[in-house]
Amino acid sequence: GEDVEQSLFLSVREGDSSVINCTYTDSSSTYLYWYKQEPGAGLQLLTYIFSNMDMKQDQRLTVLLNKKDKHLSLRIADTQTGDSAIYFCAESLMDSSYKLIFGSGTRLLVRP
Amino acid sequence: NAGVTQTPKFQVLKTGQSMTLQCAQDMNHEYMSWYRQDPGMGLRLIHYSVGAGITDQGEVPNGYNVSRSTTEDFPLRLLSAAPSQTSVYFCASRDRGQAFFGQGTRLTVV
Repeated sequence: GEDVEQSLFLSVREGDSSVINCTYTDSSSTYLYWYKQEPGAGLQLLTYIFSNMDMKQDQRLTVLLNKKDKHLSLRIADTQTGDSAIYFCAESLMDSSYKLIFGSGTRLLVRP
Repeated sequence: NAGVTQTPKFQVLKTGQSMTLQCAQDMNHEYMSWYRQDPGMGLRLIHYSVGAGITDQGEVPNGYNVSRSTTEDFPLRLLSAAPSQTSVYFCASRDRGQAFFGQGTRLTVV
């Protein structure tokens, strides 16, 4: 079946690194995504990784993909108070629907 | 670049009223979709379209209709609003890995 799971909450101190984890069940996923949602706002595409890659880095963001364990992580280096938001992991299925399956989101709180 | 534009941002409806949520994209993406976001449930797919003239149902299609007469536009219609349709609605547009969302429409049905 299709399922994406994330922990609900993460609290870090400003300047530390944050690591948000996600597990998924569908081994046929093509792309895996990280979105950021601030209060009352839409979903901002942070980054995505193709399923044949194991790492992608973009400035402060590092995505790691372990296909064997179906585990995806997002590392935010030098976390700032502006990074406080809900982070959603999503997988894209390899079928004609192109739909994204979302986790329930991880709320990141950055303490000064 | 506008990306994905949704209107309105906020709407209050009475039970039984109908309305259309608008979604437009300027990226020439073939694939568009509608999701609803409810507390603690992530986003769930309502309807999607893989191109002009083609639509299909997602996980939670009941009470909603869609059409896709052009590549750019993908409106979502609520036929007879119910309190269970109180939610935040997001339109998305996608081309391969690039999947962008609009800013959302916050709908309350009273």
